[in-house]
Amino acid sequence: DAGVTQSPTHLIKTRGQQVTLRCSPISGHKSVSWYQQVLGQGPQFIFQYYEKEERGRGNFPDRFSARQFPNYSSELNVNALLLGDSALYLCASSPETGAYNEQFFGPGTRLTVL
Amino acid sequence: LAKTTQPISMDSYEGQEVNITCSHNNIATNDYITWYQQFPSQGPRFIIQGYKTKVTNEVASLFIPADRKSSTLSLPRVSLSDTAVYYCLVGDIGGSQGNLIFGKGTKLSVKP
Repeated sequence: DAGVTQSPTHLIKTRGQQVTLRCSPISGHKSVSWYQQVLGQGPQFIFQYYEKEERGRGNFPDRFSARQFPNYSSELNVNALLLGDSALYLCASSPETGAYNEQFFGPGTRLTVL
Repeated sequence: LAKTTQPISMDSYEGQEVNITCSHNNIATNDYITWYQQFPSQGPRFIIQGYKTKVTNEVASLFIPADRKSSTLSLPRVSLSDTAVYYCLVGDIGGSQGNLIFGKGTKLSVKP
């Protein structure tokens, strides 16, 4: 079975641009969470969606938004990019909503903002 | 949520057993202890989870004393491929919260 997939793998943008990152969860998983990981730090929670509804939001500005589709795939959008948005963006899926059940992470999208 | 404290880095040699200890003094009754492994430029991978005493799987063992204020991840006979960052997390698996809280983790370097 395929694991969590994310696209694109790498992305280079300039300040002020907008970006959309995509995630496909493991088949049957209804929960998708997004994390941002800057170099040298652990992942930081951005959003969780379960059954197409937002279930949690981390301490990120309104420039960050997300949605989940009927097939449980998800998109993360970031507007008005800043240099500090450069990071590895991780998507994780799980069958249910509880975060401390096993989460399955994708390989991430490496975003570089110039 | 219970805060965790773990060493920033550890060094080991191939074939040795590695023990990484995590402190979680404020762990709640319903909290479980979970460890993730992360290789560079990859997403974290679940290793093991436990509530009390000892848990063992094909990858590692997790030792949790009776007071549950700490836990130790044990990796038997490490190899170069075990070089990674290891995260200790504490939280309620039955809770509805959607976020894992990661610290900086322990960077394990395995040398030949």
